[in-house]
Amino acid sequence: DGGITQSPKYLFRKEGQNVTLSCEQNLNHDAMYWYRQDPGQGLRLIYYSQIVNDFQKGDIAEGYSVSREKKESFPLTVTSAQKNPTAFYLCASSIERENGAFFGQGTRLTVV
Amino acid sequence: RKEVEQDPGPFNVPEGATVAFNCTYSNSASQSFFWYRQDCRKEPKLLMSVYSSGNEDGRFTAQLNRASQYISLLIRDSKLSDSATYLCVVASYSGAGSYQLTFGKGTKLSVIP
Repeated sequence: DGGITQSPKYLFRKEGQNVTLSCEQNLNHDAMYWYRQDPGQGLRLIYYSQIVNDFQKGDIAEGYSVSREKKESFPLTVTSAQKNPTAFYLCASSIERENGAFFGQGTRLTVV
Repeated sequence: RKEVEQDPGPFNVPEGATVAFNCTYSNSASQSFFWYRQDCRKEPKLLMSVYSSGNEDGRFTAQLNRASQYISLLIRDSKLSDSATYLCVVASYSGAGSYQLTFGKGTKLSVIP
């Protein structure tokens, strides 16, 4: 079955540690996105990538980094520079503008 | 002015009621429009695209008014299973030619027995 897979579903991190969230898709979509959602808030764009080996900062890129070495994969690293990393992280992909985007099940990151 | 604005609700309606959600957007160059549904602690799921001519999918009807930069979603004969947060989404091309989705904060709907 085609889809987007995020792992892990829940992640706990100690302050000062970097952590990488995985996002894999087998939909053959060119574009991939990372969003952050805080309780009672909308989705905010962290980074996006339209093609392999290229990515752009979104509205809240500070403290995050990404790579796009393969079409199927778009991992997000939350660095120790991110001041408030506890949130729900959502990865999405899209192929054509008329079709919107499809999301993975998300990763809940908690800094302890 | 916020890019995509929605009434946050919550909207508490009885089963069988008709409920309407409204959304306004600020970027007049926006290309595509969507409604998403998000259940509690889950990922958003695409509910329907929105076209200028209006479109219907069962009990759901979406409308777009480009002149007023306004989008709506109508749910008829509400079911308990319709309880969720409904997100208005606007897609546009940036100056660099990249395609971006901008989400509203969502309107929470609770359908009451």
